[in-house]
Amino acid sequence: GQNIDQPTEMTATEGAIVQINCTYQTSGFNGLFWYQQHAGEAPTFLSYNVLDGLEEKGRFSSFLSRSKGYSYLLLKELQMKDSASYLCAPMDSNYQLIWGAGTKLIIKP
Amino acid sequence: GAVVSQHPSWVICKSGTSVKIECRSLDFQATTMFWYRQFPKQSLMLMATSNEGSKATYEQGVEKDKFLINHASLTLSTLTVTSAHPEDSSFYICSASAGADYNEQFFGPGTRLTVL
Repeated sequence: GQNIDQPTEMTATEGAIVQINCTYQTSGFNGLFWYQQHAGEAPTFLSYNVLDGLEEKGRFSSFLSRSKGYSYLLLKELQMKDSASYLCAPMDSNYQLIWGAGTKLIIKP
Repeated sequence: GAVVSQHPSWVICKSGTSVKIECRSLDFQATTMFWYRQFPKQSLMLMATSNEGSKATYEQGVEKDKFLINHASLTLSTLTVTSAHPEDSSFYICSASAGADYNEQFFGPGTRLTVL
């Protein structure tokens, strides 16, 4: 079957760094997306990885290891507005995104 | 990035009535549109995938006669919830992509449906 595993909730301090891990099992693989979703809003795109390694985009970086079925999202210099859910979504062989429940990130002053 | 709009943003209706939700890609042609439903504190659940000019492909467990999807043009898809019931109350989100296979999905802002 297809499966996503992320921590349900994480807490971090403003200005700090946090890493959100994701392991996945899919039927085929066509890359992995990270989305941010604020409460009551639709997801917004953060990053896409299809090759192994680290992709850096400003304060956010995403890493992928296809052989391990593992990805992480790294958020630096945390701001209060980063409080949201972070969704790891791999794309399967049918180019369909597989969604988990996401990780709720709480930022404290 | 590309912009996708949804209308209405929220709707309250009586049980037994039908509700239509529109999803529009404003600055690109959306070959494929996706309809999701999300209950509080749960993951996005894909309901159906629609390609312009063809019938939608529904996920297992989603009633195609209850959730009517029309993708008549490259910029517009509609979801009609027929004979709505309170259990249909949810957050409905559409997304659109410009390609037939991989392409980033751009999400609309969502429609919150409450059925009384």
